[in-house]
Amino acid sequence: GAVVSQHPSWVICKSGTSVKIECRSLDFQATTMFWYRQFPKQSLMLMATSNEGSKATYEQGVEKDKFLINHASLTLSTLTVTSAHPEDSSFYICSARGMGTSGRVDEQYFGPGTRLTVT
Amino acid sequence: GDSVTQMEGPVTLSEEAFLTINCTYTATGYPSLFWYVQYPGEGLQLLLKATKADDKGSNKGFEATYRKETTSFHLEKGSVQVSDSAVYFCALKWNDMRFGAGTRLTVKP
Repeated sequence: GAVVSQHPSWVICKSGTSVKIECRSLDFQATTMFWYRQFPKQSLMLMATSNEGSKATYEQGVEKDKFLINHASLTLSTLTVTSAHPEDSSFYICSARGMGTSGRVDEQYFGPGTRLTVT
Repeated sequence: GDSVTQMEGPVTLSEEAFLTINCTYTATGYPSLFWYVQYPGEGLQLLLKATKADDKGSNKGFEATYRKETTSFHLEKGSVQVSDSAVYFCALKWNDMRFGAGTRLTVKP
């Protein structure tokens, strides 16, 4: 199946700093990318949906100025957590949907996740 | 709104035991239903899916049937293996994807 990578896999940062997480679709073009947040022992919560070249659509309650999403190309989306605080510590998972030689139309593929710890 | 409820874990079974993980859903439309599996340190992988009522999804010995009358999509496997130890997520997709809380399965030799 199609592969989605995330970088870094884990990051520790100090309170007040910003952290950027990259999500790449490796063998298909992702027309849509999704960012999820997963708290321990809880489900994935959709944060935002982005289409290549347009602004992201954020779910209710997600601060767009705090969680900046850029989907600049069909293979790359970034999530920047600005002025991070300890309550932002979580597991962030991206997902990509598109079509390609390995990916089927409309299938969602998930990255391995990035664990963010803010101290 | 649309939502998924799945049985709480953790679930611990012996190898070759029968597995059932319950999943029920609430949806305003006619969603597709999915089971995803997350192995330690890895991303979610699609295990199986069903797109309409009475469809049965199956993969790697796992099965789930889309039951519209009971709004359920229970995951079953007749004989689990140690390698099946993972977290299993039930999900539905109508306008967007909604996930259950996940059920951690541990299979002991």
